[in-house]
Amino acid sequence: NAGVTQTPKFRVLKTGQSMTLLCAQDMNHEYMYWYRQDPGMGLRLIHYSVGEGTTAKGEVPDGYNVSRLKKQNFLLGLESAAPSQTSVYFCASSYGATSGRGETQYFGPGTRLLVL
Amino acid sequence: GNSVTQMEGPVTLSEEAFLTINCTYTATGYPSLFWYVQYPGEGLQLLLKATKADDKGSNKGFEATYRKETTSFHLEKGSVQVSDSAVYFCALSADSNYQLIWGAGTKLIIKP
Repeated sequence: NAGVTQTPKFRVLKTGQSMTLLCAQDMNHEYMYWYRQDPGMGLRLIHYSVGEGTTAKGEVPDGYNVSRLKKQNFLLGLESAAPSQTSVYFCASSYGATSGRGETQYFGPGTRLLVL
Repeated sequence: GNSVTQMEGPVTLSEEAFLTINCTYTATGYPSLFWYVQYPGEGLQLLLKATKADDKGSNKGFEATYRKETTSFHLEKGSVQVSDSAVYFCALSADSNYQLIWGAGTKLIIKP
């Protein structure tokens, strides 16, 4: 049982390049999330998904796209990377909605992205 | 809107000292409250949670009580160890919302 995995672990991009971050979970969770973590700012939600084939915008969606073609996978794409997207990206999943019921989110180990 | 405020770090303590990390929140309705921990080089993991007022969450010697009257969820541990060195995040989830609202995190450094 691997939990939540993320690939790659680290990547360096040049401004304008594109890339896709992959998140996979083996817990049969319905809900998946992408966050970015920046120093002194906690975590900010980029996009989330409430089930296979669905996606929705979070707090900071601009410059990112996502897809959830399979229940176990949630992809985060950067079409044209900018230095402001230098960050650590975390994927998380949960069995149900976190809202109000205390549902736990399970996190992957993170992807460190540097955009030059 | 909903928000979480936690004490700035880093917090530096000696081994076996008493720990308090303050967390206060603003939220409508009846949120659930969480403490997550991030060890160096790792992702976040749930430390403890409380889903209603006066609930106490506890795990690994850490405790936090959901205080609605003071809108607080302070994290405490009676005797910290070097292995507790990490970044601690307070978070809330509010009704009708899929996302967690996060505090900025508090870095804890325990010296032997």
